[in-house]
Amino acid sequence: EAGVAQSPRYKIIEKRQSVAFWCNPISGHATLYWYQQILGQGPKLLIQFQNNGVVDDSQLPKDRFSAERLKGVDSTLKIQPAKLEDSAVYLCASSSVLDTQYFGPGTRLTVL
Amino acid sequence: AQSVTQLGSHVSVSEGALVLLRCNYSSSVPPYLFWYVQYPNQGLQLLLKYTTGATLVKGINGFEAEFKKSETSFHLTKPSAHMSDAAEYFCAVSLSGGSYIPTFGRGTSLIVHP
Repeated sequence: EAGVAQSPRYKIIEKRQSVAFWCNPISGHATLYWYQQILGQGPKLLIQFQNNGVVDDSQLPKDRFSAERLKGVDSTLKIQPAKLEDSAVYLCASSSVLDTQYFGPGTRLTVL
Repeated sequence: AQSVTQLGSHVSVSEGALVLLRCNYSSSVPPYLFWYVQYPNQGLQLLLKYTTGATLVKGINGFEAEFKKSETSFHLTKPSAHMSDAAEYFCAVSLSGGSYIPTFGRGTSLIVHP
């Protein structure tokens, strides 16, 4: 089966610009996650969706980050405006069984 | 709440030597424990997981880990390192019966020398 797809793989922007990342989960996976992985650290959950509803967004900086999952399949994560500290890899993961997540390759964001 | 401590940000071994990556956790309820591997410029791949049952868990690529409740540990081992094992390894814990959102350690970089 196809894995989790993410695009773009790399993105370089200036601070205060906006950026969007896209994720297509494994077919049939109801749960989708976005993680932020800062260099030298483990991934940190930003938001969890169950179908098209938000389950947990407690660690999402809502003043600048937003995410949606229309129709319970693809998802988009947006940052507006970006700050230097947003430089990180943004990982999307999906799961059908809650205790096992499958990760995409990630989008590496550099904010200059 | 749960947390994970991975001892050693870098571990260096020779090809063919034993690999031992250490992970200690804290959890208020019985944990689910995971090891993930991340190759450069790739996402995380699940190596193995412990949920319930047998405490010695075998994963892919010859790795295994043992859940030791008394030591709150879940160390990852492989009898003989291969050059292709060089990667970043993450231990993670989640709460059984909860949302299953894993908390990740900071990672250990495995370096394999020829």
